[in-house]
Amino acid sequence: GAVVSQHPSWVICKSGTSVKIECRSLDFQATTMFWYRQFPKQSLMLMATSNEGSKATYEQGVEKDKFLINHASLTLSTLTVTSAHPEDSSFYICSASYMVREKAFFGQGTRLTVV
Amino acid sequence: QQQVKQSPQSLIVQKGGISIINCAYENTAFDYFPWYQQFPGKGPALLIAIRPDVSEKKEGRFTISFNKSAKQFSLHIMDSQPGDSATYFCAASRRTASKLTFGTGTRLQVTL
Repeated sequence: GAVVSQHPSWVICKSGTSVKIECRSLDFQATTMFWYRQFPKQSLMLMATSNEGSKATYEQGVEKDKFLINHASLTLSTLTVTSAHPEDSSFYICSASYMVREKAFFGQGTRLTVV
Repeated sequence: QQQVKQSPQSLIVQKGGISIINCAYENTAFDYFPWYQQFPGKGPALLIAIRPDVSEKKEGRFTISFNKSAKQFSLHIMDSQPGDSATYFCAASRRTASKLTFGTGTRLQVTL
């Protein structure tokens, strides 16, 4: 299957700093990328949908000024957690698909810990 | 309308047994129903998926059964193995978009 690479796999940062997470589709052009957040032993909650070259669509309750999403090319989307706080600590996962209604492939996730 | 309900929350099955996980949805606009397997600290991996025009799909030891009238679908893992121990998520998406709504997850443990 298609490969989606997420980087870094884990990151620890201090409160108040910003962290950038990259999501790359390695062998296909991703028209759409999705960002999810997962708390321990819970399900995946969609944060936002991003399409290449346009603004991301955020789900209700997700602060778009805090979670900045950029989808600059068909193979790269980034999520920047700005002014991170301990409550932002979570597992962040991206997924990418190359056609609407086609299967989505997930990255390996990024464990963010804010201290 | 956007919910996908999943049960059981956890499941213990002996090696060689059949693991069964059930999901129910409300939104009749959903038309794509995948199952994902997730190991601790990893992203979900697609196992198998089905569309409403078929009632069953089998891939190896994994089978999806789909009941459109009841708005329910289930995952059957035949000859369960310890390596199948993971969390399983059902999901659903609408025909006009591919964002997924996930079930709450089932932690499967396969014992020797």
